[in-house]
Amino acid sequence: DAGITQSPRHKVTETGTPVTLRCHQTENHRYMYWYRQDPGHGLRLIHYSYGVKDTDKGEVSDGYSVSRSKTEDFLLTLESATSSQTSVYFCAIGDRGSTRYGYTFGSGTRLTVV
Amino acid sequence: GQQVMQIPQYQHVQEGEDFTTYCNSSTTLSNIQWYKQRPGGHPVFLIQLVKSGEVKKQKRLTFQFGEAKKNSSLHITATQTTDVGTYFCAGQMGGGSQGNLIFGKGTKLSVKP
Repeated sequence: DAGITQSPRHKVTETGTPVTLRCHQTENHRYMYWYRQDPGHGLRLIHYSYGVKDTDKGEVSDGYSVSRSKTEDFLLTLESATSSQTSVYFCAIGDRGSTRYGYTFGSGTRLTVV
Repeated sequence: GQQVMQIPQYQHVQEGEDFTTYCNSSTTLSNIQWYKQRPGGHPVFLIQLVKSGEVKKQKRLTFQFGEAKKNSSLHITATQTTDVGTYFCAGQMGGGSQGNLIFGKGTKLSVKP
């Protein structure tokens, strides 16, 4: 979907290094979300944002931080990457008040921590 | 914590056979959504169900929301190879800013031609 892009698409990093993933939207949605997807676990919410500088934790937030300084950008930072954070990360946008069109997901970032 | 259980985890069918995946929640849902993820792709929104007992159809796909708003199903009639992928349900537990979607673990469908 052209309205939401993630970067990078793939990344390999070493254990203990910080990593930042970027999500950019052009749809002016108030809500943005970061999920991770792992085999057997489905999609799990890491953090979400409900406005500029307004963020909250999801169910698997330990080891992650987020920032949202502009409506269009939502950054996910792995403060000190661990092998357990090897995963596919998806950003999503969607308005909570009207979910008729559901969430729109980005193409994902495949992160490998070695 | 709150969970949405989805079964089966995998389903292998012959092309032309029907397919059904089921979702169950321990708590009443305000709505349920369904997504499809093609291999190597990202989840794509299919539909949202809001009303108790609601049934919606999209061509060969039929979606149902239970009377108690705790369960839902997706049925595909006469599967095709283009139906291959993982189907996720996602339940919203409550309205307002706390109503995050809770995803089921998905049902991976493979279709043998």
